[in-house]
Amino acid sequence: GESVGLHLPTLSVQEGDNSIINCAYSNSASDYFIWYKQESGKGPQFIIDIRSNMDKRQGQRVTVLLNKTVKHLSLQIAATQPGDSAVYFCAEKTGNAGNMLTFGGGTRLMVKP
Amino acid sequence: EAGVAQSPRYKIIEKRQSVAFWCNPISGHATLYWYQQILGQGPKLLIQFQNNGVVDDSQLPKDRFSAERLKGVDSTLKIQPAKLEDSAVYLCASSPTRSTDTQYFGPGTRLTVL
Repeated sequence: GESVGLHLPTLSVQEGDNSIINCAYSNSASDYFIWYKQESGKGPQFIIDIRSNMDKRQGQRVTVLLNKTVKHLSLQIAATQPGDSAVYFCAEKTGNAGNMLTFGGGTRLMVKP
Repeated sequence: EAGVAQSPRYKIIEKRQSVAFWCNPISGHATLYWYQQILGQGPKLLIQFQNNGVVDDSQLPKDRFSAERLKGVDSTLKIQPAKLEDSAVYLCASSPTRSTDTQYFGPGTRLTVL
């Protein structure tokens, strides 16, 4: 299908290297953050989340870091694989806004074999 | 467990025509969301349902967009009449409850308005 993010910032990495994708969020009152992966022609897929009372959370090959001082979120992918190629979005939720997620603009990750 | 189902997957219409999209959430999920994703951007929430009631529709262009979830299960999003700028992917997501953070997305419907 047609690519999701033709005009997105792109990060190109070699297979096996580590990837770091960054996101600046807007609302200092946001208390929950999620990273989604979106492959071409598919809906966003949950990767990992973190609450505002934490500054780091690890999953399988992925780590999310939260710096509330500068309102910055990052996603680290260890030993990047070709299957990691996709567009990655961060999203934030503010506690008094129901379950409304606000998505960032996304970053395209391209993994070179 | 079956995921969120959406149909059709693709739709091409002329401007000023009407179109409807269908979503069936994950079984048992009370909360359903419709998002619009314009090419190159992140999804933007249009409307949120809790069972058959609307929780938030503040970003739904109500002059042309409407949505319903009459029986609290599947949902329909309609655009009437469509404009060129409505060309986008329309994503449906669901979560078990309104307070559950993780939302599970369907594959989306790609709409092209000519």
